[in-house]
Amino acid sequence: QITLKESGPTLVKPTQTLTLTCTFSGFSLSTTGVGVGWIRQPPGKALEWLGVIFWDDDKRYRPSLKSRLTITKDTSKNQVVLTMTNMDPADTATYFCAHGWYWGYYFNYWGQGTLVNVSS
Amino acid sequence: QSVLTQPPSASGTPGQRVTISCSGSSSDIGTNTVNWYQQLPRTAPKLLIYSDDQRPSGVPDRFSGSKSGTSASLAISGLQSEDEADYYCATWDDSLNGVFGGGTKLTVL
Repeated sequence: QITLKESGPTLVKPTQTLTLTCTFSGFSLSTTGVGVGWIRQPPGKALEWLGVIFWDDDKRYRPSLKSRLTITKDTSKNQVVLTMTNMDPADTATYFCAHGWYWGYYFNYWGQGTLVNVSS
Repeated sequence: QSVLTQPPSASGTPGQRVTISCSGSSSDIGTNTVNWYQQLPRTAPKLLIYSDDQRPSGVPDRFSGSKSGTSASLAISGLQSEDEADYYCATWDDSLNGVFGGGTKLTVL
């Protein structure tokens, strides 16, 4: 059974750095083809793809946020970490992590999401 | 960043067939496969269709996907009240950057 869960602060101040951890079970991020992605959803708005890290440590980031995003993995801990610098109120959103596949680029298991509010 | 265009809303009555469109470009849908997600209110998205027309285990065959050129469609037949949700198409571009559509809110009248 594959599960993922996001954890991190629920409130950050503008200009601060957000660090979210995705802790997963039921799969290994060293398995060929596997990836873990990050997707966010501002309140009442659409899903936004943020980035993904694959089994071979290949990483892809949303072009408009590339300078602010870093995704890393700790295979031994079954964790993926998302870091976003210089947070702005416009970054207020529910952040999801999800298990995905390189081939087909789809996410077939999702975490419950965590709401991050950016406010002073 | 690629942009996928979906109608903001769609509706139908129980038992009807509804289709939701997703329009892209030659660098995303025109080159790569399309996935569809269903998001029920206040829940995480769920994979509904992958690789254009494949259903994950457990997804009813009332849901089907298709693609032609730079556009894709999701069809829901035998509409049920529990199908009321937001639906998103998704694919990736030439740089392996993922992209979601703007979402379609489906209302069952």
